[in-house]
Order: sequence, then C-alpha cells, then structure tokens
Amino acid sequence: EAGVAQSPRYKIIEKRQSVAFWCNPISGHATLYWYQQILGQGPKLLIQFQNNGVVDDSQLPKDRFSAERLKGVDSTLKIQPAKLEDSAVYLCASSLGGTVRNSPLHFGNGTRLTVT
Amino acid sequence: ILNVEQSPQSLHVQEGDSTNFTCSFPSSNFYALHWYRWETAKSPEALFVMTLNGDEKKKGRISATLNTKEGYSYLYIKGSQPEDSATYLCAFNTNAGKSTFGDGTTLTVKP
Repeated sequence: EAGVAQSPRYKIIEKRQSVAFWCNPISGHATLYWYQQILGQGPKLLIQFQNNGVVDDSQLPKDRFSAERLKGVDSTLKIQPAKLEDSAVYLCASSLGGTVRNSPLHFGNGTRLTVT
Repeated sequence: ILNVEQSPQSLHVQEGDSTNFTCSFPSSNFYALHWYRWETAKSPEALFVMTLNGDEKKKGRISATLNTKEGYSYLYIKGSQPEDSATYLCAFNTNAGKSTFGDGTTLTVKP
C-alpha cells in the first residue's frame, strides 16, 4: 500500500510569512493527525480529524494555525503569520480509526520548517 | 494533558551490548501503548502495539513488555547493532483515539 504522502519536505520562510503543508493519508484511513515535533521533544498533537470532522484541536494555536480536511481525504495545515518558535518538523499521520485498538499510526516523512 | 515520560533521554552503547528503555504513562484510562522507531531522515515506524496488561511482544532482537497497573512499558534490544541507532518513541492511547507521545530515547550504537 502507498504510504502517507507529505509535501513539501523542507521549507524556509521569514517570520510573519505564511506557509502551508499538504498531506495525503493512506487510502481508507479515517483518522488523520497533524503533529509538531520540536527538536529534542516528542511529537505534539496539533489536530486530529475523523473523516472530515475535527476530533481534537485543543493544542492548535488557533490565532495562527488552521487545518482542514474538506473531503475527508487529504488535508492542509497552514501557519499565518509564522513565528520563530514554529520552527519544527510537522508530521502527518493516519490510522484506521481511534476505535480500532490495534491500529498504529502511519507517518509521512514530515516537513521540516525553518523560520528565520 | 497526559504525562508520558521516557528514560533515559539518550543512550550510547557499543555494538553487541544489550539495552533497555522505559516508558511511563498514566495507569488510568489505558487503551493501548505503541512503540515507534524513528531513524534519521525517515518517518516514524510502528514497532509494537500493546493492549493487555502483561503483554510481551517480540520482533527479532527487539522486545517489549507492558504493565498497565503500574503504568510502564520496557523496550529491550538484545545485541545492539549500528542499524538500531534511532529515536524510540512510545505513545499512550486513550479510548478516544488520542495518542500522546513521550519525548523519546535516542539510541546510538557504536561499531
């Protein structure tokens, strides 16, 4: 099966600019996650979708971050405007669904964002 | 916010050494515990999904145990090889499908 696709792989922007990341999950995976991983820390959940509905966005900085999964398939994460502390790896993951107990997350390769 | 802790933060061993790491998590509302391996320039890859107290899983030289009552899981690597060098992440899962990750243990195996 094809894996989780993410783009771009790398992005360098200046602070106050905007940026968007794209993710296409594994076909048939109902749940899609966006994680932020800062160097030296574990991935932190930004937002979780179940099909096209938001399950958890409690840790998403909503004043600058937004995400959508309009058709319940691929998803876009946007940052506007970016701050220096947004420099991180942004990981997209998908799984069969939260109620499938034995279903691990399948990750994309991530987007490494550097804000200067 | 759930508290998931991993120790040690980093580990350097010689090729052939055996090693183990710890993941501590809340003992309430347990649903599943996942272990992932994250090699440099690659995506995190699932190693084990553990759901029952007392579970023991094994994949080659890597094995894991689970104690949900006291809230910990151990990951063991027997006879470490340079290709085992990676960051090992554990993730605590609730029945709402939320995964909370620890900060990981970074293993470096020297030839």
